[in-house]
Amino acid sequence: AQKITQTQPGMFVQEKEAVTLDCTYDTSDPSYGLFWYKQPSSGEMIFLIYQGSYDQQNATEGRYSLNFQKARKSANLVISASQLGDSAMYFCAMRESTNDMRFGAGTRLTVKP
Amino acid sequence: EAQVTQNPRYLITVTGKKLTVTCSQNMNHEYMSWYRQDPGLGLRQIYYSMNVEVTDKGDVPEGYKVSRKEKRNFPLILESPSPNQTSLYFCASSLRLAPQETQYFGPGTRLLVL
Repeated sequence: AQKITQTQPGMFVQEKEAVTLDCTYDTSDPSYGLFWYKQPSSGEMIFLIYQGSYDQQNATEGRYSLNFQKARKSANLVISASQLGDSAMYFCAMRESTNDMRFGAGTRLTVKP
Repeated sequence: EAQVTQNPRYLITVTGKKLTVTCSQNMNHEYMSWYRQDPGLGLRQIYYSMNVEVTDKGDVPEGYKVSRKEKRNFPLILESPSPNQTSLYFCASSLRLAPQETQYFGPGTRLLVL
């Protein structure tokens, strides 16, 4: 069963605007971690941000923040003040206590000048 | 510099010719894994290793082998590659298998099997 769902295959955003990339997940494990990775056209996987299931506050890392809504099982990535260099594939992933990391299909973000 | 390295980065081969993709990490991580990435499917786990001499199958292990003789190295072996193994392969490592542990990825290996 698909555990991580990213419903937006592609997104466009104007430079300097904010954008939200959606991610929903499915788990019955009370202990899990949620991750976002960026994959630029060069191919490497770059870790962006982490949110633990027991964390009370939403995670933030610079221009990245994670909008964690536990009851809705969503972990959306918010990128503020988009830059041209943010154009990339973005993957949401989840790691449970008994299962290793599972990835969504990804969202391709294009930042327009 | 803490990193995961993979070699080769690019490989073109023919059906049936055995190949090995090496993976090494310098972070003293216990946990290592291999993924393949195909368009529209995200990353899928091939094999993983909890520690030296401890390996297990992931979601798509058919056609692959691994070994973990040393903590830092985790090679991926394709004994008889087929065209459906054409893909982008990633090695990853983390301190251990736990929900809060981030996995760090190597640069990827692009494999084309003719």
